[in-house]
Amino acid sequence: SQKIEQNSEALNIQEGKTATLTCNYTNYSPAYLQWYRQDPGRGPVFLLLIRENEKEKRKERLKVTFDTTLKQSLFHITASQPADSATYLCARHGSSNTGKLIFGQGTTLQVKP
Amino acid sequence: EAGVTQFPSHSVIEKGQTVTLRCDPISGHDNLYWYRRVMGKEIKFLLHFVKESKQDESGMPNNRFLAERTGGTYSTLKVQPAELEDSGVYFCASSQNPKTDTQYFGPGTRLTVL
Repeated sequence: SQKIEQNSEALNIQEGKTATLTCNYTNYSPAYLQWYRQDPGRGPVFLLLIRENEKEKRKERLKVTFDTTLKQSLFHITASQPADSATYLCARHGSSNTGKLIFGQGTTLQVKP
Repeated sequence: EAGVTQFPSHSVIEKGQTVTLRCDPISGHDNLYWYRRVMGKEIKFLLHFVKESKQDESGMPNNRFLAERTGGTYSTLKVQPAELEDSGVYFCASSQNPKTDTQYFGPGTRLTVL
């Protein structure tokens, strides 16, 4: 099956450090991947989209990479802050022509002061 | 600009009862999606509307679930009769362009079936 896999274990880091989250995909080559942030009791919020022909994309303290050889996307938060604590979701579009998103389970990040 | 809104925020019902969830997308967004997250699992797609038409309903679990979008504005998702395994958080999202645009999610409706 065409899966999106994220490390479901929580990631705990110290404030100021760089957080790196991993998203792996199998049996499919998505044209692009999206990253969302989800806080408790809220819906996912879009952060970044990276296309397969883009190796890297940045937005303020966020950076996403896309390695089609490794079938992997990495999501980095530099100079992390306690306010960055949330669950981060990786998603790709389904193989049909609709906008269906297929999500990974998400990785919960906890940034300690 | 108002975001995607969902009602109710929480619903607790007994097995066998009926529940109707409502989603109001962002004004002007023709594309409306329903997703669900059950405990411990990833968010899963249910269906996609383009205006009032169902574009993709491949994720609907069974015929106890009925989604409508009359007039191409708000949408409802009815579960009848509800079963225990229907418990979870139901998210609605909307977008302008289905393949390239960001999907904007609502806060979700937490459904508990006892």
